[in-house]
Amino acid sequence: AQSVTQLDSHVSVSEGTPVLLRCNYSSSYSPSLFWYVQHPNKGLQLLLKYTSAATLVKGINGFEAEFKKSETSFHLTKPSAHMSDAAEYFCVVSDRTSGAGSYQLTFGKGTKLSVIP
Amino acid sequence: GAVVSQHPSWVICKSGTSVKIECRSLDFQATTMFWYRQFPKQSLMLMATSNEGSKATYEQGVEKDKFLINHASLTLSTLTVTSAHPEDSSFYICSARRGTSGSTYNEQFFGPGTRLTVL
Repeated sequence: AQSVTQLDSHVSVSEGTPVLLRCNYSSSYSPSLFWYVQHPNKGLQLLLKYTSAATLVKGINGFEAEFKKSETSFHLTKPSAHMSDAAEYFCVVSDRTSGAGSYQLTFGKGTKLSVIP
Repeated sequence: GAVVSQHPSWVICKSGTSVKIECRSLDFQATTMFWYRQFPKQSLMLMATSNEGSKATYEQGVEKDKFLINHASLTLSTLTVTSAHPEDSSFYICSARRGTSGSTYNEQFFGPGTRLTVL
């Protein structure tokens, strides 16, 4: 079984300061990990993904995340927050479902990022 | 590439009526499509998984007779909410995955969502 825990339901930062959104996962196999962003009343946009290649993954809009197997973490960071970064962020794990030979996504509960001018 | 569309983006209906939501993969063939439901300020919950030409697999607690899913082609899946009631009001999001079920490339591409309001 796989699961995702986003440690903060709400993060508030000032514009221009660093962003850290925390995510821990559990997985029976070698997982793929994703971060998605959702703006109000919009669908999900992929920020970045980890699929067993480089552990430091760079995504769009200046975001990056580091896969740390020993800590079972995949935290999302950005050096300098912009007002347009205010949105809901979801950490997602994808793993082979047992016996099915197919992959299923499991979503974290989300972290709302607020950016203060 | 890898664009998924949904139609309509927003629908209001009366209680007791049925609503159909379409999900299309515009530039790739989707072997598998997924339907999610998202309540306000909550995460996405998987409702069902459908493979082209076969019956959908529903998650526990999802009524298959209420949420009818048809995956008629490699680019189209539909979700029909039958006899809708106010508690069915939600944001419904579809996603599509390309590649075979055994592929290690398992990224899903998400549609923009459909906001359903049942009066």
